[in-house]
Order: sequence, then structure tokens, then C-alpha cells
Amino acid sequence: DAGVIQSPRHEVTEMGQEVTLRCKPISGHNSLFWYRQTMMRGLELLIYFNNNVPIDDSGMPEDRFSAKMPNASFSTLKIQPSEPRDSAVYFCASSSARTSGETQYFGPGTRLLVL
Amino acid sequence: GESVGLHLPTLSVQEGDNSIINCAYSNSASDYFIWYKQESGKGPQFIIDIRSNMDKRQGQRVTVLLNKTVKHLSLQIAATQPGDSAVYFCAEKRGANSKLTFGKGITLSVRP
Repeated sequence: DAGVIQSPRHEVTEMGQEVTLRCKPISGHNSLFWYRQTMMRGLELLIYFNNNVPIDDSGMPEDRFSAKMPNASFSTLKIQPSEPRDSAVYFCASSSARTSGETQYFGPGTRLLVL
Repeated sequence: GESVGLHLPTLSVQEGDNSIINCAYSNSASDYFIWYKQESGKGPQFIIDIRSNMDKRQGQRVTVLLNKTVKHLSLQIAATQPGDSAVYFCAEKRGANSKLTFGKGITLSVRP
């Protein structure tokens, strides 16, 4: 299996611009998680989906952040407008209660820099 | 075990020695625990997990120990190799529908 796929791997943008991060979970996994990692706050869960339905979005920082999962093989995390404090590494992870239990498998991350 | 502020605690070990990485967890009701390894520039990689009905689980060169009495989790790495150098995270979870809560990480540095 290819594992969790994220794109782009690196993104540099200017404050105020819209940023869209993409994730393809492992085939057959029915749970998908978006995390943000910074030195100050470590790994933070932003939102997770189960069977394409958002279950817990309490970690989404504010209304500038939104996430969608239109189908089982694709999810997006959008920041609009972006701010310098959004600079971080964003990870997508997936799991399957049926095949991987509660183990989450992470993608390589998108390194976002907002100038 | 846990980090404070910007700097992650670092464990330095000699190549070939055994490493023990410790983690204190917060929720006595947590029933699932997992260790991840994160190399520079990569995403966290699953190492080993354990449920609360066990106190020890072994993998290849790794052992996880769980002490529920003092809410302590440890990862033991046998014959540490340079490729083991990374940041290690413990995470806990309570119930199938809850989220993983990650610790702040510990850096393992292997001296040649």
C-alpha cells in the first residue's frame, strides 16, 4: 500500500491567501484525522472524520479553518485567509477499526509557511 | 519523561546499549496507549501499542511497559542503533470513539 498521501509537501504563501491541503487516506481506512504540529504546541488534533462524516472539530482553531471529506479517498483542509501564525506542519492520518484497530497511520505532512 | 516549553528532553545513549524512554500519562481512564517515532522531516511512524488489560508487550527490539498504578508508560529499545535516533511520542486514548492525546515528545540521540 502507498500509505497516506499528502500534497503539497511544502507550501509557502503570503498572509491573506487561501491555502488548501490535500490528503488521500490508506485504501479501506474509514477514519481520517488532521493534525497540526508546532514546536510550541506539539501535535494537535484539528478534526477527524469517520465514514466521511466530521465527528469532532473542536480542535479547529477558528472559522478560518475548514475541512471536508467528499468521499472515502479524499479530504481537504482549507485555511482562508491564512496568517503567519498558521505556519506549521500539517499531518493527515487514517485508521480502520476493522484492519488496524485504533492505530493511526500518518502521512509525510505538509510544511506550511505563511509570510 | 515529559517536556516543558520549547525544548524537548533528550536521551543520549551509546550505540549498542539499551534505551528506555519514559512517559507519564494523565488520564487514569485511558485504555489504549501507543508509541510513535518521528524522524526529521517525516510523519510519526507507529512503533508499538498496548491496551490497559496488559502490562507488557514485545515487538522486534522494542518492549512497551505499562504501569497503571502510577500512570507510567515506557518504551525499551534493545541494542540501540543510529537509525533509532528520532523524536518519540507516547499517546493515550480512552474508548474507541475518543481521540489520541499526544505527549510532547522525547528526543533520542544515539552516540556512535
